[in-house]
Order: sequence, then C-alpha cells, then structure tokens
Amino acid sequence: DVKVTQSSRYLVKRTGEKVFLECVQDMDHENMFWYRQDPGLGLRLIYFSYDVKMKEKGDIPEGYSVSREKKERFSLILESASTNQTSMYLCASSNREGAPTDTQYFGPGTRLTVL
Amino acid sequence: ELKVEQNPLFLSMQEGKNYTIYCNYSTTSDRLYWYRQDPGKSLESLFVLLSNGAVKQEGRLMASLDTKARLSTLHITAAVHDLSATYFCAGHGGSQGNLIFGKGTKLSVKP
Repeated sequence: DVKVTQSSRYLVKRTGEKVFLECVQDMDHENMFWYRQDPGLGLRLIYFSYDVKMKEKGDIPEGYSVSREKKERFSLILESASTNQTSMYLCASSNREGAPTDTQYFGPGTRLTVL
Repeated sequence: ELKVEQNPLFLSMQEGKNYTIYCNYSTTSDRLYWYRQDPGKSLESLFVLLSNGAVKQEGRLMASLDTKARLSTLHITAAVHDLSATYFCAGHGGSQGNLIFGKGTKLSVKP
C-alpha cells in the first residue's frame, strides 16, 4: 500500500514564526503536492514538484515556499506564519502524469493553527 | 483552465434510499477521479475513470464517466450510515496538468 506520512497531525504556531511541514512517501513517486483545505473552498494547490529539486507554483503559492532535496520528501515552509494560514494542509504523491496509475495518494493532513 | 462543479454540495439521505452526485467539468479531462473524506481525516481514492463510458463499482457506490457531456456521476445504492462522508471529484486540467478538485459533496445518511 502507498504510504504518505506528514510530520505532525496538529500544530499551533504564533504569528511571524517560521513553520516547516514535512511529507514523506514510500512509493518512489515522481510527483508530490501540497494543498490546503478550507471550509467552502475545497482543496487548493499550493505547490507541486515533478522531480527532485524541481518545484512549480500552484494556485495559491503566496506566503509559502517548498523544498524537495530527496525524491521521497517534500517540505512546505511558511516563512512568516500569519493567521490567514490557519488551515488543514494535505500532502499527496503520485506517479508521473499519464502513467497507468497516477492517482494521487494523500497523507493524513496537518491541522495548523496560527495564533 | 479546467473547472469542476459538483452538485449537490450537501445531501441528507435516509438509509436504504438511492441517490446520485453529479460532477460537471468545463474542458476536456482525460481522466476523472473520485475521492472520499471522512470527518477530520484525509482523502481516500475511490475510483479512477479513464475513458468515455467507463463504469466502476465498489459495494454500494458506482461511478460513471461521459466525456461528451463532460459529466461524471457517483451513484449510491441503498445508502447506509457508513457512507456518510464528503465526496470529491477531480480532473486533470490545471495549468501544469495537475488535478482540479470540485468543492465536495457532504453526504449524511440518517437511519
């Protein structure tokens, strides 16, 4: 079974703090994604990566950055957390687009609260 | 860019009844995905529909795809309480070919 793990289930930070969210997948997937999920807005893509050291902006990249130094690990960084970044953050991974099975597999999520 | 609309967004059903969730998408998508999310939990993949006319079934859930109508449906047969969850559809069509999700349908099955 594909396993996607995230470093924390719940996180509370203060405004202005630097926040690291880490995601690890064990299926040798090329693609990795970070989403945030908010009530009434659904899932919105923040950043994604198709390969090591490669990153692409999604729909809402402002205030975030990412790092992918190893294939299995994709980190989301909030350089200076703000209250409007309070949300559920979901990481996902998949085979490359167009592969026979490129379903995205999601991690358990990190509920981040910024005070 | 692809837009995905689901309806209804909220659905309250009685156990034993049938119902259908609709997923319309705005431009061509070569495949369509359905996911389930339980409260406080992450998304679980249910179905991947790869071609026009594709139909997949798992238990009381059946998904179908009509690429000409740009419509996918998720049909629930004889609903049970365990099916209460939020269901998302998604298609390929972001600016980089990434998935675009609908806003989800929150299903509540009552005894």
